[in-house]
Amino acid sequence: EIVLTQSPGTLSLSPGERATLTCRASQSVTSSFLAWYQQKPGQAPRLLIFGASTRATGIPARFSGSGSGTDFTLTISRLEPEDFAVYYCQQYGGSPYTFGQGTKVEIK
Amino acid sequence: QLVESGGGLVQPGRSLRLSCAASGFTFDDYAMHWVRQVPGKGLEWVCSISWNSGNRHYADSVRGRFTISRDNAKGSLHLQMDSLRADDTALYYCAKDNDWGSLGYHFDCWGHGTLVTVSS
Repeated sequence: EIVLTQSPGTLSLSPGERATLTCRASQSVTSSFLAWYQQKPGQAPRLLIFGASTRATGIPARFSGSGSGTDFTLTISRLEPEDFAVYYCQQYGGSPYTFGQGTKVEIK
Repeated sequence: QLVESGGGLVQPGRSLRLSCAASGFTFDDYAMHWVRQVPGKGLEWVCSISWNSGNRHYADSVRGRFTISRDNAKGSLHLQMDSLRADDTALYYCAKDNDWGSLGYHFDCWGHGTLVTVSS
């Protein structure tokens, strides 16, 4: 089983700042089959990025993903008020299709 | 577009059947999945089914106890949960695959979830 470790656990930033979230896999993720999701309180997750770097439909350009192998990054270039949420990475290169434990981006 | 139902309080060892009604997309073009989340905790993939029901995959934690199925004519997805345990307590999400026609195992549309509580 691939274990995904996200860091930091909590990121305290102000609107307009840049957010950099990291996801590290315990073994290489096949073909960069890595996705990022955003979840707000009381809501279902929302797909942001798949294939490590491809934005999902309707996702603003301020969200970008990068990485390969075992190290992946989600960057939010300038935080908007609606971006404060929990972010999860997920690998789908091999079963079981595991998620990281999440990074909370909170308002400083 | 995805609406789950069927959750509730159930005793350990008993069964429960969840349903998910899909709308707004061509249901039989996409694989479907169940993902669960203990309130306040992280996400766990539970199981998946291909567009034609030809492939079904399960997490080790539920294999042999849960059965995923779909009815393309009705646009519905189901999860039969047997021999329920306390650690099955979670919010269960129905999710649509992002990939057309294949099992991509990443999810671009989610329901609001239905809560399953297993307790005596």
